Formats: sequence, C-alpha cells, structure tokens
Amino acid sequence: DTGVSQDPRHKITKRGQNVTFRCDPISEHNRLYWYRQTLGQGPEFLTYFQNEAQLEKSRLLSDRFSAERPKGSFSTLEIQRTEQGDSAMYLCASSLWRRGRNTQYFGPGTRLTVL
Amino acid sequence: DAKTTQPNSMESNEEEPVHLPCNHSTISGTDYIHWYRQLPSQGPEYVIHGLTSNVNNRMASLAIAEDRKSSTLILHRATLRDAAVYYCILNKRDDKIIFGKGTRLHILP
Repeated sequence: DTGVSQDPRHKITKRGQNVTFRCDPISEHNRLYWYRQTLGQGPEFLTYFQNEAQLEKSRLLSDRFSAERPKGSFSTLEIQRTEQGDSAMYLCASSLWRRGRNTQYFGPGTRLTVL
Repeated sequence: DAKTTQPNSMESNEEEPVHLPCNHSTISGTDYIHWYRQLPSQGPEYVIHGLTSNVNNRMASLAIAEDRKSSTLILHRATLRDAAVYYCILNKRDDKIIFGKGTRLHILP
C-alpha cells in the first residue's frame, strides 16, 4: 500500500453514461497525476496538478474528460458520455515535488468497463 | 521525448541475479534515468533512478554506461515476487513520466 487510494476499484457502465473517479493522494504531496492504461500497454499520461492548479493536459484528454483538484488534496476525474474505447485502468499518482525530486507513488487504479 | 528500448520479456531463475537492459541512445544531458515496475494487478512502483553515477538502494542497483546511452537495472537475488513489468524511463528533472511497454520479467522457481 503506497498511501494513494482510488475509488471505486471497479466500475462497469453503459455507453453514454457519465462516470466519476476519485483519488486521494498521500497527504503532504503537492502533485497529483492521472494516467490511463490499456491491456498490454504502459500507462499513458493524461494530466497533472500542482496543488489545485492543473498544469498540463495530454492531447489524449478529450473534451469529454475533466479533472479537478479543488482544494489541492483529493482529485476527481469525470468522463462524460462514455464510449467503449474508454475502457481501461485509470491510475492516479502523487508526489512531493521539490527541486530534483519527483518520485511518483501510484494508487491501485480504477478499472472501467464500458458496455 | 527521448525514447528507451527494452526487451519485451526476460526470464530468470529464482535466487539468481537479473540484469535488465535499457538503451537510450538519444538521451540528453538533463534526462534522468528512472526505473519503475508494475506487479500484476497493481499500479507502478518506483524502483530507482540516476543521472550519471551508479546507484544502489534496498530494491536494486542501477548501472549507467559512461556515455549514458544505456543502463542496466540489477536485481541481486530475484524472488518470485519480483515478477513484474519493468519500465525504463527518461525524464527531465521534475517532469511527468512517459511510460513505454517495458520488459516483462518472468521468474522461474
């Protein structure tokens, strides 16, 4: 257990529905990252926050995806109008960023299945 | 982004050392070499990182070539619990991680 938790661990939804995932980072960590991983591939970067500011978004993050970290603590990732191609493992990671150090600690992930 | 090349898979016997290679011929002077691993059904976990000098920690050792165009992750005595996908990653200091496909390590009892 790295100290990063994600909820839910599994989500099954029908195409067209909205889903929201939550990530609780290690409490003193100021950076929070979201990744997506499909079978047989390495995780793909989606977006990251430093405190409450969203500093970078990947081109993978379509308009249907939105992420927030309102108080610089937990974060949510929402997918609107889900598609079957959204089926994947969604991973969250956090780090205590300081100059020269950015080791990321990953949560167990949320597995999304879109029927 | 500078890329890394790793074998798709490797096998090793339990209780023997494992050397996982990584080529990164286009590495720049500011790229750090990181290794993460992902055990089955878990998120990735940090293993080790270095810039120019060899590094040791409780999990592994990282040997970096003098020209920095390749590196080797060394597990000194593999156990069944070391079976995982190992990712060799280059990133700028403080930057996000770009994962490749990694090396799937199988440990034979």
